[in-house]
Amino acid sequence: GDSVTQMEGPVTLSEEAFLTINCTYTATGYPSLFWYVQYPGEGLQLLLKATKADDKGSNKGFEATYRKETTSFHLEKGSVQVSDSAVYFCALGGGYQKVTFGTGTKLQVIP
Amino acid sequence: GAVVSQHPSWVICKSGTSVKIECRSLDFQATTMFWYRQFPKQSLMLMATSNEGSKATYEQGVEKDKFLINHASLTLSTLTVTSAHPEDSSFYICSATGGGTEAFFGQGTRLTVV
Repeated sequence: GDSVTQMEGPVTLSEEAFLTINCTYTATGYPSLFWYVQYPGEGLQLLLKATKADDKGSNKGFEATYRKETTSFHLEKGSVQVSDSAVYFCALGGGYQKVTFGTGTKLQVIP
Repeated sequence: GAVVSQHPSWVICKSGTSVKIECRSLDFQATTMFWYRQFPKQSLMLMATSNEGSKATYEQGVEKDKFLINHASLTLSTLTVTSAHPEDSSFYICSATGGGTEAFFGQGTRLTVV
Protein backbone atom coordinates (compact mmCIF):
# COMPACT_ATOMS: atom_id res chain seq x y z
CA GLY A 1 0.00 0.00 0.00
CA ASP A 2 0.86 3.67 -0.09
CA SER A 3 3.31 4.96 2.46
CA VAL A 4 5.20 8.12 3.37
CA THR A 5 8.54 8.27 5.12
CA GLN A 6 9.81 11.51 6.56
CA MET A 7 12.79 12.37 8.69
CA GLU A 8 12.36 12.00 12.39
CA GLY A 9 12.56 15.01 14.59
CA PRO A 10 12.74 16.98 16.51
CA VAL A 11 14.63 19.45 14.39
CA THR A 12 16.01 22.42 16.26
CA LEU A 13 17.24 25.43 14.31
CA SER A 14 18.26 28.95 15.05
CA GLU A 15 16.19 31.74 13.59
CA GLU A 16 17.10 32.53 9.95
CA ALA A 17 18.66 29.10 9.41
CA PHE A 18 17.93 26.99 6.33
CA LEU A 19 15.39 24.23 6.74
CA THR A 20 15.10 20.91 4.94
CA ILE A 21 12.72 18.16 5.96
CA ASN A 22 13.10 15.06 3.84
CA CYS A 23 10.12 13.12 2.59
CA THR A 24 9.93 10.09 0.32
CA TYR A 25 6.89 8.14 -0.69
CA THR A 26 5.72 4.84 -2.13
CA ALA A 27 2.53 4.81 -4.12
CA THR A 28 0.78 3.27 -7.07
CA GLY A 29 0.11 5.73 -9.81
CA TYR A 30 0.83 9.42 -9.44
CA PRO A 31 -0.76 10.78 -6.30
CA SER A 32 -0.95 14.38 -5.23
CA LEU A 33 1.60 15.29 -2.57
CA PHE A 34 1.09 17.61 0.36
CA TRP A 35 2.77 19.21 3.30
CA TYR A 36 0.54 19.94 6.27
CA VAL A 37 1.46 21.93 9.36
CA GLN A 38 0.05 21.49 12.83
CA TYR A 39 0.61 24.18 15.43
CA PRO A 40 0.40 23.20 19.10
CA GLY A 41 -3.13 22.30 20.12
CA GLU A 42 -4.56 22.93 16.68
CA GLY A 43 -5.75 20.96 13.68
CA LEU A 44 -4.06 20.55 10.33
CA GLN A 45 -3.44 23.32 7.86
CA LEU A 46 -2.44 22.70 4.29
CA LEU A 47 0.93 24.32 3.75
CA LEU A 48 1.51 23.47 0.10
CA LYS A 49 0.76 20.85 -2.50
CA ALA A 50 1.87 19.49 -5.85
CA THR A 51 -0.32 17.44 -8.13
CA LYS A 52 2.09 16.16 -10.77
CA ALA A 53 5.74 15.43 -11.42
CA ASP A 54 8.08 18.43 -11.41
CA ASP A 55 5.42 20.67 -9.89
CA LYS A 56 6.73 22.97 -7.20
CA GLY A 57 4.42 23.87 -4.36
CA SER A 58 5.18 27.01 -2.41
CA ASN A 59 3.63 29.03 0.39
CA LYS A 60 4.88 31.37 3.14
CA GLY A 61 8.48 30.92 2.00
CA PHE A 62 8.26 27.11 2.06
CA GLU A 63 8.85 25.10 -1.10
CA ALA A 64 8.72 21.48 -2.17
CA THR A 65 9.17 19.89 -5.60
CA TYR A 66 7.45 16.70 -6.72
CA ARG A 67 10.31 14.45 -7.85
CA LYS A 68 8.99 11.34 -9.52
CA GLU A 69 12.43 9.91 -10.27
CA THR A 70 13.43 9.92 -6.62
CA THR A 71 9.88 9.63 -5.24
CA SER A 72 10.59 12.58 -2.98
CA PHE A 73 8.90 15.78 -1.86
CA HIS A 74 11.39 17.49 0.44
CA LEU A 75 10.29 20.63 2.27
CA GLU A 76 12.64 23.63 2.29
CA LYS A 77 12.68 27.14 3.62
CA GLY A 78 15.55 29.56 3.26
CA SER A 79 15.16 31.40 6.56
CA VAL A 80 13.02 30.02 9.36
CA GLN A 81 11.31 32.10 12.00
CA VAL A 82 10.26 31.30 15.56
CA SER A 83 6.66 31.34 14.35
CA ASP A 84 7.44 28.37 12.08
CA SER A 85 7.78 26.11 15.11
CA ALA A 86 5.23 23.35 14.59
CA VAL A 87 4.88 19.75 13.46
CA TYR A 88 5.10 19.19 9.71
CA PHE A 89 3.46 16.23 7.99
CA CYS A 90 4.25 15.01 4.51
CA ALA A 91 1.28 13.29 2.92
CA LEU A 92 -0.10 11.86 -0.30
CA GLY A 93 -3.52 11.15 -1.69
CA GLY A 94 -6.41 13.55 -1.48
CA GLY A 95 -9.51 13.95 -3.55
CA TYR A 96 -11.71 10.91 -3.09
CA GLN A 97 -8.76 8.95 -1.73
CA LYS A 98 -7.69 8.88 1.85
CA VAL A 99 -4.67 10.93 2.83
CA THR A 100 -1.68 8.88 3.96
CA PHE A 101 0.54 10.74 6.37
CA GLY A 102 4.15 10.48 7.37
CA THR A 103 4.97 10.35 11.05
CA GLY A 104 5.47 14.08 11.34
CA THR A 105 8.57 16.14 12.06
CA LYS A 106 8.60 18.56 14.93
CA LEU A 107 10.44 21.79 14.17
CA GLN A 108 11.60 24.07 16.93
CA VAL A 109 13.10 27.41 16.00
CA ILE A 110 14.99 29.25 18.70
CA PRO A 111 15.66 32.99 18.68
CA GLY B 1 -9.78 27.21 0.37
CA ALA B 2 -12.89 25.41 1.47
CA VAL B 3 -13.87 25.40 5.13
CA VAL B 4 -14.56 22.37 7.28
CA SER B 5 -15.88 23.00 10.75
CA GLN B 6 -15.55 20.40 13.47
CA HIS B 7 -17.38 20.59 16.77
CA PRO B 8 -16.69 20.43 19.64
CA SER B 9 -13.02 21.36 19.68
CA TRP B 10 -12.58 19.62 23.00
CA VAL B 11 -14.73 17.47 25.24
CA ILE B 12 -14.33 15.71 28.56
CA CYS B 13 -16.68 12.85 29.33
CA LYS B 14 -17.11 10.17 31.95
CA SER B 15 -16.17 6.59 31.23
CA GLY B 16 -19.12 4.66 29.83
CA THR B 17 -20.87 7.60 28.23
CA SER B 18 -21.12 8.40 24.52
CA VAL B 19 -19.77 11.43 22.72
CA LYS B 20 -20.79 12.80 19.33
CA ILE B 21 -18.42 14.81 17.15
CA GLU B 22 -19.72 16.77 14.17
CA CYS B 23 -17.92 17.59 10.96
CA ARG B 24 -19.48 20.10 8.58
CA SER B 25 -18.41 21.35 5.19
CA LEU B 26 -19.47 24.99 5.21
CA ASP B 27 -19.11 26.08 1.61
CA PHE B 28 -19.04 22.94 -0.51
CA GLN B 29 -20.75 19.60 -0.82
CA ALA B 30 -18.66 16.85 0.69
CA THR B 31 -19.41 13.60 -1.05
CA THR B 32 -16.71 11.87 0.95
CA MET B 33 -15.55 12.44 4.50
CA PHE B 34 -12.74 10.80 6.40
CA TRP B 35 -12.18 10.38 10.11
CA TYR B 36 -8.67 10.19 11.55
CA ARG B 37 -7.29 9.61 14.98
CA GLN B 38 -4.04 11.00 16.31
CA PHE B 39 -2.33 9.66 19.39
CA PRO B 40 0.04 11.96 21.28
CA LYS B 41 3.20 12.69 19.32
CA GLN B 42 2.15 10.33 16.54
CA SER B 43 0.81 10.65 13.05
CA LEU B 44 -2.78 10.56 11.92
CA MET B 45 -4.32 7.18 11.28
CA LEU B 46 -7.38 6.76 9.13
CA MET B 47 -10.31 5.27 11.02
CA ALA B 48 -13.01 5.22 8.38
CA THR B 49 -14.26 6.64 5.12
CA SER B 50 -17.84 7.71 4.71
CA ASN B 51 -19.78 8.53 1.58
CA GLU B 52 -23.02 10.44 1.76
CA GLY B 53 -25.99 8.16 2.12
CA SER B 54 -24.07 4.93 2.53
CA LYS B 55 -22.43 2.98 5.31
CA ALA B 56 -18.95 3.92 6.36
CA THR B 57 -15.96 1.79 5.44
CA TYR B 58 -13.79 1.11 8.45
CA GLU B 59 -10.07 0.47 8.48
CA GLN B 60 -8.83 -2.81 9.83
CA GLY B 61 -8.77 -2.86 13.60
CA VAL B 62 -11.32 -0.09 14.07
CA GLU B 63 -14.43 -1.24 15.92
CA LYS B 64 -17.46 -0.14 13.91
CA ASP B 65 -19.81 -0.68 16.84
CA LYS B 66 -17.73 1.58 19.02
CA PHE B 67 -17.09 4.34 16.51
CA LEU B 68 -20.40 5.02 14.82
CA ILE B 69 -20.19 7.16 11.72
CA ASN B 70 -23.14 8.76 10.01
CA HIS B 71 -22.96 10.78 6.80
CA ALA B 72 -26.59 11.69 6.31
CA SER B 73 -26.12 14.77 4.17
CA LEU B 74 -23.60 16.31 1.80
CA THR B 75 -22.49 18.76 4.46
CA LEU B 76 -22.51 16.78 7.70
CA SER B 77 -20.85 13.69 9.06
CA THR B 78 -20.86 12.62 12.69
CA LEU B 79 -18.62 10.33 14.70
CA THR B 80 -20.07 8.91 17.89
CA VAL B 81 -17.75 7.26 20.36
CA THR B 82 -19.98 4.86 22.26
CA SER B 83 -19.31 3.70 25.79
CA ALA B 84 -16.11 5.68 25.87
CA HIS B 85 -13.17 4.52 27.95
CA PRO B 86 -9.92 6.27 28.88
CA GLU B 87 -8.06 4.49 26.07
CA ASP B 88 -10.36 6.28 23.60
CA SER B 89 -8.88 9.60 24.69
CA SER B 90 -7.28 11.04 21.60
CA PHE B 91 -7.37 13.79 19.00
CA TYR B 92 -9.96 13.11 16.30
CA ILE B 93 -9.85 14.97 12.99
CA CYS B 94 -12.22 14.86 10.07
CA SER B 95 -11.60 15.79 6.49
CA ALA B 96 -13.97 16.37 3.64
CA THR B 97 -13.65 16.40 -0.11
CA GLY B 98 -15.87 17.39 -2.97
CA GLY B 99 -13.65 15.64 -5.48
CA GLY B 100 -10.83 18.08 -6.06
CA THR B 101 -7.17 17.28 -5.54
CA GLU B 102 -7.16 17.87 -1.83
CA ALA B 103 -9.15 17.14 1.27
CA PHE B 104 -9.94 19.89 3.76
CA PHE B 105 -9.47 19.24 7.43
CA GLY B 106 -11.45 20.28 10.44
CA GLN B 107 -9.86 21.82 13.50
CA GLY B 108 -9.91 18.53 15.39
CA THR B 109 -11.57 17.41 18.61
CA ARG B 110 -9.59 16.54 21.69
CA LEU B 111 -11.49 13.87 23.61
CA THR B 112 -10.59 13.11 27.20
CA VAL B 113 -12.37 10.27 28.93
CA VAL B 114 -12.12 10.28 32.72
